[in-house]
Amino acid sequence: KQEVTQIPAALSVPEGENLVLNCSFTDSAIYNLQWFRQDPGKGLTSLLLIQSSQREQTSGRLNASLDKSSGRSTLYIAASQPGDSATYLCAVRTGANNLFFGTGTRLTVIP
Amino acid sequence: DAGITQSPRHKVTETGTPVTLRCHQTENHRYMYWYRQDPGHGLRLIHYSYGVKDTDKGEVSDGYSVSRSKTEDFLLTLESATSSQTSVYFCAISESGSGGVSDTQYFGPGTRLTVL
Repeated sequence: KQEVTQIPAALSVPEGENLVLNCSFTDSAIYNLQWFRQDPGKGLTSLLLIQSSQREQTSGRLNASLDKSSGRSTLYIAASQPGDSATYLCAVRTGANNLFFGTGTRLTVIP
Repeated sequence: DAGITQSPRHKVTETGTPVTLRCHQTENHRYMYWYRQDPGHGLRLIHYSYGVKDTDKGEVSDGYSVSRSKTEDFLLTLESATSSQTSVYFCAISESGSGGVSDTQYFGPGTRLTVL
């Protein structure tokens, strides 16, 4: 069974700092990997999806990379802002009905 | 935001009673999913649908059933609710499930269910 791990579980940084969130998975046979953010009491918002054939995706201040062979993905956030405070989740898809989520990293950006 | 609504948003029920949660989408996406989110476990897939009347089990399907009679609606039923089913339930949709960019999942706001 695919295991998805996100370390650290929580992270606090001062505003303006660049930061990296980590996601690791145990089975490299994935279709794609998706990053989400979740605000307290809310649903998940899709940030980026990286297909298995891709190495990275960018959207604004966000850049996600994928290294399938090592079972790792990183989400890079540039020039962090207080509005970036949320829980960030990664999920890997290994089939139509096989989606596995990590437990997330709770990010706090301090003004 | 993708047009996904869930109802009810909050529900408190008693052990042994049936409960039905509804997910409604206005995006005409083919795939729909039900997840539960619990502390320490993250999100886990309960059931999913790949078309009208086409459904399949996910990782934690025991005690749950689903139905999809229309493209826009996906129902999750707890036949006889138990305290272990207290959770936050999320519905999600995607255009496809085959690995491309159209696999992007969009989530509803969630339903908080408490089983006493």
